[in-house]
Amino acid sequence: AQTVTQSQPEMSVQEAETVTLSCTYDTSENNYYLFWYKQPPSRQMILVIRQEAYKQQNATENRFSVNFQKAAKSFSLKISDSQLGDTAMYFCASYTLNSGGSNYKLTFGKGTLLTVNP
Amino acid sequence: DTGVSQNPRHKITKRGQNVTFRCDPISEHNRLYWYRQTLGQGPEFLTYFQNEAQLEKSRLLSDRFSAERPKGSFSTLEIQRTEQGDSAMYLCASSFARELFFGEGSRLTVL
Repeated sequence: AQTVTQSQPEMSVQEAETVTLSCTYDTSENNYYLFWYKQPPSRQMILVIRQEAYKQQNATENRFSVNFQKAAKSFSLKISDSQLGDTAMYFCASYTLNSGGSNYKLTFGKGTLLTVNP
Repeated sequence: DTGVSQNPRHKITKRGQNVTFRCDPISEHNRLYWYRQTLGQGPEFLTYFQNEAQLEKSRLLSDRFSAERPKGSFSTLEIQRTEQGDSAMYLCASSFARELFFGEGSRLTVL
């Protein structure tokens, strides 16, 4: 079974500063993907960034980057130059095939509420 | 609009009543997922379809819950004899590859 752990229920950051959200995961699979999703208040969940486990290079999307430590099963999200619109719940998630090898499922952590202060 | 659409967006019902939610996925997506999210928690997997076949069901999906995806297009999630513990946001997502695209959710309140 997969588990995803986010140990920071809430975080805050000043506008224009940098913040890092932590995530650890546990899986016995070799082929998996890791994601950070953002869920603004009362709005739908959208993908922020994705990392394939077989890639050593950390993914980057504009102001968002990850620090993927495969051996430590750690997958943190760094947000640079934080903006007010970054205020949201951030969910770390892992995506693997199930044991049967045919079904795909996304497992989420409990989330981190990030508040960007002006 | 080609996003994932969910209806109704909000449903208030009395305990013991049946409710049904509908999800219209992005048209070319063959996979469809239902998740449940309670306040302050991450989404929990309920069930998953590939085309019209329901391939996996979570233990969270009691026998009061049933999901269908006739013809591999839209999906419905029915909850029979609702209980107060069923109050949650029910999220639908669809995918073609690795990324899941989520709808805005259907919020259920059971009084």
